[in-house]
Amino acid sequence: GDSVTQMEGPVTLSEEAFLTINCTYTATGYPSLFWYVQYPGEGLQLLLKATKADDKGSNKGFEATYRKETTSFHLEKGSVQVSDSAVYFCALSEYDMRFGAGTRLTVKP
Amino acid sequence: KAGVTQTPRYLIKTRGQQVTLSCSPISGHRSVSWYQQTPGQGLQFLFEYFSETQRNKGNFPGRFSGRQFSNSRSEMNVSTLELGDSALYLCASSLGDRGLNYGYTFGSGTRLTVV
Repeated sequence: GDSVTQMEGPVTLSEEAFLTINCTYTATGYPSLFWYVQYPGEGLQLLLKATKADDKGSNKGFEATYRKETTSFHLEKGSVQVSDSAVYFCALSEYDMRFGAGTRLTVKP
Repeated sequence: KAGVTQTPRYLIKTRGQQVTLSCSPISGHRSVSWYQQTPGQGLQFLFEYFSETQRNKGNFPGRFSGRQFSNSRSEMNVSTLELGDSALYLCASSLGDRGLNYGYTFGSGTRLTVV
């Protein structure tokens, strides 16, 4: 069945560092891909999405490109801030929405 | 516009009891999905409703059930509660089924503690 694998955390970075969180997926067809972010005590928020191969999703300085040839959707940000500290989830939707295990990011001043 | 509203935010129940959780989706969203979130298992899909029909169901026992009303509001029910049912239950709504193309908008969740 469909599944999402993302890099295990936790990830700790200094402010203004470059961020990459790896995500790969397994699907039978052509899923839509998403990144969600969860802040403490809250539900998940949609961060960005891509609905077809080679699409690039972007929001708030975060980017991810839908790579069908490598079945990947890695999240990147050029310069992280303390306020980016949260848990990040990669997800795909084909028959239902499937989520990765989440990667906790902590950004230190 | 109003987001996804889940009630109650917190709930404490005793083993063996039953519980009903409520979710009001964003106006115009016809798809409502439910997830269970625990530290050990992460986010696990419970079920999805679209226009009052259950479209898909996750791998949970029959004690977990749900329904969707004509105004798209949804409820989920858990009967004969077990300690392992303690979790954050998240509801999500979308314009399209399975969140395709649009993604989900999540509520803040209901934190259920079974004692």
